[in-house]
Amino acid sequence: GIQVEQSPPDLILQEGANSTLRCNFSDSVNNLQWFHQNPWGQLINLFYIPSGTKQNGRLSATTVATERYSLLYISSSQTTDSGVYFCAGLRNAGNMLTFGGGTRLMVKP
Amino acid sequence: GAGVSQSPSNKVTEKGKDVELRCDPISGHTALYWYRQRLGQGLEFLIYFQGNSAPDKSGLPSDRFSAERTGESVSTLTIQRTQQEDSAVYLCASSLSFSSPLHFGNGTRLTVT
Repeated sequence: GIQVEQSPPDLILQEGANSTLRCNFSDSVNNLQWFHQNPWGQLINLFYIPSGTKQNGRLSATTVATERYSLLYISSSQTTDSGVYFCAGLRNAGNMLTFGGGTRLMVKP
Repeated sequence: GAGVSQSPSNKVTEKGKDVELRCDPISGHTALYWYRQRLGQGLEFLIYFQGNSAPDKSGLPSDRFSAERTGESVSTLTIQRTQQEDSAVYLCASSLSFSSPLHFGNGTRLTVT
């Protein structure tokens, strides 16, 4: 399987600040997703983004498949953005979707 | 239901007992995954189903763990002779296909005493 590395592992922001989270893959992927795990443990799918750029409100994501990385942008952060952000990738159908170690984000009021 | 449903939400069991965890995926979703998450840790892949078949069982931690899926719907994860290190949240997720977003249930929190 592939290896997935996320950075930074921990991030503290003041409310209103912007941030960029990064996800690197050991091999090319054709299925890449970003998730947010809230403080209650619920995992919410943010983006399915094997390539290109997508935006959803204050969040956007960009995947450069040829260079094996993806970025998640959070603008005008809010306290409700706190939690852990995971990316996950899969190379071929029939293999497991591998998760990175996550970025733990705390947004302070 | 609209989402992935897991039961029970919490399970406390004594060491050595068997437990069965259930997952009801979103209707029509052919792919189903089981993950384990220990406190403060990331997601550890356990097993993946495409339809009723499991192409990759390499993630199951030991032969005490088994899983099945029937009717391309409900899946059951069984842990025999539970150990304290099995304590974790067990998460189930499903997707329409390989190239579709993954949707998670709320998990089953297993505590082995």
